[in-house]
Amino acid sequence: DAMVIQNPRYQVTQFGKPVTLSCSQTLNHNVMYWYQQKSSQAPKLLFHYYDKDFNNEADTPDNFQSRRPNTSFCFLDIRSPGLGDAAMYLCATSFTGSPNTEAFFGQGTRLTVV
Amino acid sequence: KQEVTQIPAALSVPEGENLVLNCSFTDSAIYNLQWFRQDPGKGLTSLLLIQSSQREQTSGRLNASLDKSSGRSTLYIAASQPGDSATYLCAVKRGGSNYKLTFGKGTLLTVNP
Repeated sequence: DAMVIQNPRYQVTQFGKPVTLSCSQTLNHNVMYWYQQKSSQAPKLLFHYYDKDFNNEADTPDNFQSRRPNTSFCFLDIRSPGLGDAAMYLCATSFTGSPNTEAFFGQGTRLTVV
Repeated sequence: KQEVTQIPAALSVPEGENLVLNCSFTDSAIYNLQWFRQDPGKGLTSLLLIQSSQREQTSGRLNASLDKSSGRSTLYIAASQPGDSATYLCAVKRGGSNYKLTFGKGTLLTVNP
C-alpha cells in the first residue's frame, strides 16, 4: 500500500507557467521534505516542515514555495518554471518520535519544462 | 553544515561477489543514518536504518555498520546478484530541533551476470 503519494507522476509545463506538485501521506508523520533530483545527482533538499515549522534551505531559489495545510498534505509551488527546473521532485516523510523510524519517499514527479 | 560523501561513485562487480559501499559524514551529531536504493527514474526505497546508538543492522544479504565517532558507515552486500544493480544512497538525519535529512551523491552499482 502506497504510504507517500505524489501527484502527478509526470508533469509537463510551459516556461514561466506556474505549476504545483502535490504530496500526501497516510503515515501521520510530522516531518515532510521536498527534494529536487537531477539526472545522476544526489537529491537536493529544497525545504522541509517539522510539524508546522517551515525550514527553507539557504540556496533554494525564491521561485520555489511550499505549503502544508495539514499533516497529510504538502505542496510544492514553482512560480515561474525555467528550463533549469526540469528534474525529478521527491517528497519524503519522517517521524521524530523515535530514532528507529525510517524516512519514506514517494515515487516522485518528473517535471518537464517546454 | 553536514557533508555526506560516498565512495566509490561507481562500482562494477561480477555476480556472486561480496562488496562494501562507504559513506562518511562530517557532523557526528546525527539522529540516525539510512541506506536507500534507487532504480533509474524511480523514487527511493529504504534498505536499512541505523539509530545513532547502534553499531549495525542486518537485513537478508545486507549489513550496515555505523561508527558515529569517526563519521563513517558501510553497507555490505553479500553474494551480489544482477538484481542488486542500482544506485545506493546514504542519508543522515540531524536531531535536535531540525531533523534535516542530508544525502550523499550515491554509488552506482552494476552486478554483471
